[in-house]
Amino acid sequence: DTGVSQDPRHKITKRGQNVTFRCDPISEHNRLYWYRQTLGQGPEFLTYFQNEAQLEKSRLLSDRFSAERPKGSFSTLEIQRTEQGDSAMYLCASSLGGRGATNEKLFFGSGTQLSVL
Amino acid sequence: GDSVTQMEGPVTLSEEAFLTINCTYTATGYPSLFWYVQYPGEGLQLLLKATKADDKGSNKGFEATYRKETTSFHLEKGSVQVSDSAVYFCALSESGAAGNKLTFGGGTRVLVKP
Repeated sequence: DTGVSQDPRHKITKRGQNVTFRCDPISEHNRLYWYRQTLGQGPEFLTYFQNEAQLEKSRLLSDRFSAERPKGSFSTLEIQRTEQGDSAMYLCASSLGGRGATNEKLFFGSGTQLSVL
Repeated sequence: GDSVTQMEGPVTLSEEAFLTINCTYTATGYPSLFWYVQYPGEGLQLLLKATKADDKGSNKGFEATYRKETTSFHLEKGSVQVSDSAVYFCALSESGAAGNKLTFGGGTRVLVKP
């Protein structure tokens, strides 16, 4: 069990550029979550996958954001036309959730720190 | 919508002191409640949880009791160690929601001095 891996750890980009982050969950986990955390705040939910299906998206996830989990394993989060307000830590978490389960343990990655200049 | 409010830090303590971090929540249903901890340079880790009223979650000497009447889930530890220095997050999960979508509080930084 290597835990949840996120790549890259840090990303610096210029405003207007596109960026893509990758998350590799724990191998047998069927659920995958993306959160965003700004300095001094708690994480905020962005989106959630069960296997390859994206089941929920927060209103925080504007049209510039898109997430995929094509084979039900790793996931990518893309931000198009980045803005300075997108600067944050982007966290990925995974879990093993059975049918109807709602409070299973989430395992978090160390995050990708995005800085938009 | 659901929300979580926790005391602001930083909280600075001496080793072996008693720690309390207050957490209150607002939710429409009957949420599950969690405390997560983030040690320096590491990802968030589940510390403990409680899924219904009057449940007590405990782990590593930490405890928290789900108090529905006061909508609270305060974290306590009787004797802290330097290794407990971290940021602590209170969180809730909506009842009936698919998956475990968490709503977090703002976090409380705890610094334990030897």
